[in-house]
Amino acid sequence: AQSVTQLGSHVSVSEGALVLLRCNYSSSVPPYLFWYVQYPNQGLQLLLKYTSAATLVKGINGFEAEFKKSETSFHLTKPSAHMSDAAEYFCAVSRVRGSTLGRLYFGRGTQLTVWP
Amino acid sequence: NAGVTQTPKFRVLKTGQSMTLLCAQDMNHEYMYWYRQDPGMGLRLIHYSVGEGTTAKGEVPDGYNVSRLKKQNFLLGLESAAPSQTSVYFCASSYSKSNDYYEQYFGPGTRLTVT
Repeated sequence: AQSVTQLGSHVSVSEGALVLLRCNYSSSVPPYLFWYVQYPNQGLQLLLKYTSAATLVKGINGFEAEFKKSETSFHLTKPSAHMSDAAEYFCAVSRVRGSTLGRLYFGRGTQLTVWP
Repeated sequence: NAGVTQTPKFRVLKTGQSMTLLCAQDMNHEYMYWYRQDPGMGLRLIHYSVGEGTTAKGEVPDGYNVSRLKKQNFLLGLESAAPSQTSVYFCASSYSKSNDYYEQYFGPGTRLTVT
């Protein structure tokens, strides 16, 4: 079964500081991996995705994530936080084949607060 | 393109009332999904569809029904609303034959309160 663990339901950083949001997955086969962002009172927007090409994936708004198979991790980073990054972030996995192809399994989310 | 749209944006129901939430997408996607989002629970899949005329249960299907009569529309029904169904509901769609990565595109959500 797929599962996704996001370590830390709340993360706070100062503006200009490094952002690190952690995501670990469990899967016998490396899955597709996604990070979504949700701004207040909005739907989810795709930040970036890993689809078995490059292990370092760059997304929108200066975010990037690195797929590490040995650690079963897909942590999201941004070198310098901006006030506009304050939002909730969700990690999700999808199987690459099988009967549940197309389903996303979401972590519980990490709320990012950025202090001025 | 409008992407994924949801109707209505807000609704208040009394216990026992019924309603239908409408989701529409204009991206010619094959798959569509209904989720609910509750604080601290992330997104939980209610039902999904892998094509016109087909539906399947997700993690939390009880109390909900769905229909996909047209490829671009996916309806979520509550036959007898309960306070436990107070939530924010999101629709999503994914997968076209030109893109097999299954990234999902989300609608803006429907905020439902059952009193």
